This record gives sequence, structure tokens and C-alpha cells, in this order.
Amino acid sequence: EVQLVESGGGWVQPGGSLRLSCAASGFTYKNYVMRWVRQAPGKGLEWVSSVGSSGGSTYYADSVKGRFTISRDNSKNTLYLQMNSLRAEDTAVYYCASGGVVVTSNNAFDNWGQGTMVTVSS
Amino acid sequence: QSALTQPASVSGSPGQSITISCTGTNSDVGAYNYVSWYQQYPGKAPKLMIYDVTERPSGVSNRFSGSKSANTASLTISGLQAEDEANYYCCSYAGSPTYWVFGGGTKLTVL
Repeated sequence: EVQLVESGGGWVQPGGSLRLSCAASGFTYKNYVMRWVRQAPGKGLEWVSSVGSSGGSTYYADSVKGRFTISRDNSKNTLYLQMNSLRAEDTAVYYCASGGVVVTSNNAFDNWGQGTMVTVSS
Repeated sequence: QSALTQPASVSGSPGQSITISCTGTNSDVGAYNYVSWYQQYPGKAPKLMIYDVTERPSGVSNRFSGSKSANTASLTISGLQAEDEANYYCCSYAGSPTYWVFGGGTKLTVL
């Protein structure tokens, strides 16, 4: 069974940092692109970042570029999101999602974790 | 403001069909056949329902179908059931430097 489990969320003051993790199981993790998507309370979904299968290619939404860093450890089947200089508007549930694991196309977010809540407030 | 435009809400009676539209631009929906749709219940993670405009993942009911014309994609749910009541989001690949854009979501109410 394909499974993604996020952790690392919590409360942080504006300007602070947090690192999210996403543990993957049930598939050959190193072969697939991985992504982070967030959802502010009562709002819609927003793509945050993607990383290629080897970790060498990374992509970011303009809203987080320069502040967030996506990475992966294929030996630990784990995805990370290092979040620095956090702002109130970063408050959201953060989901990790895979591409191309459950369906043949990697142009969709085909499996999602349960999400981890990040609250940025003073 | 979301990059893709969806109606805030739609409704239908059990057994009826409904269609949710998703309007983008010729830089996203119109440029790529990489539109996907997600179902989300309150407090739960999204679930992929349609990918590559028309494809359905294994296990998703064939009552769900997708289509696209120019810059507008659509999700149709036929034979509405109470369990279909949820929020639905469209998503499109948009190439560099935007990459992925989502719609604002549509709340489906089954009357």
C-alpha cells in the first residue's frame, strides 16, 4: 500500500523556521517526483514545491522562493521541506504528494499524505 | 485569487448529472493536456479523481469524467450520490516558471 506520512508541523513565530518531513512507503520512492502542496484554513490548494526523483531538480512557487528548500533522502525514503523566514500567510496544512506512483502519468498529484499543520503567529 | 476559475458551488439531486467548470488561460489549461481533478472531504486529504484531462485512476467510479475545450476544463459527475458531496479542485500544469496552478475549489451539494 502506497503511504505518505507527514510530520514536523507546529506553531512558530513570524521569522522562525520549521522543517517538515514526509515518510514514504509502499513504492520505489527513488523513482518518482515528489511535491508539497498547502492549504490555508478555509482556503483552496496551493502548489508549493517539487523535486525530481534524484533530488537534482527543484521547483518553487513564487510565494516561497528564497525562503523554502525542498530536498529528499532516497536512502531514507523521506521528503523534506525546510521553511525559513516564516510569515503569517504561510499558516496552512502542508501535504506531501507523489507523481506517477498510482497512475502512469506524473502530471498529477496521485497520492497524498494526511497533512501536517503549520501555524505562524506571535 | 486562484489562477484557475471554478464556480464556488454547484448542486444537484441524487441521480442527476452536474458539471464543474475550470477556466484558465492559453498558458495553462489551453497549453497542456495535464488537467487533473481532486475530491476533498472536510478535514481530509485530497484524492485524485481525473488526470491528463480525461483519464480515471483505478478504483474511481466511471460516474466521474473529464473533458477540455480551449482554456476550459470540465468535470462531470453522473448519477449523483450523497457520497459525492465534497469540495472539488481542478489543477493544471503551467510550465516554467509557474509550474502548477489550482482552482479555488467548488463545493458540491447533493440535495
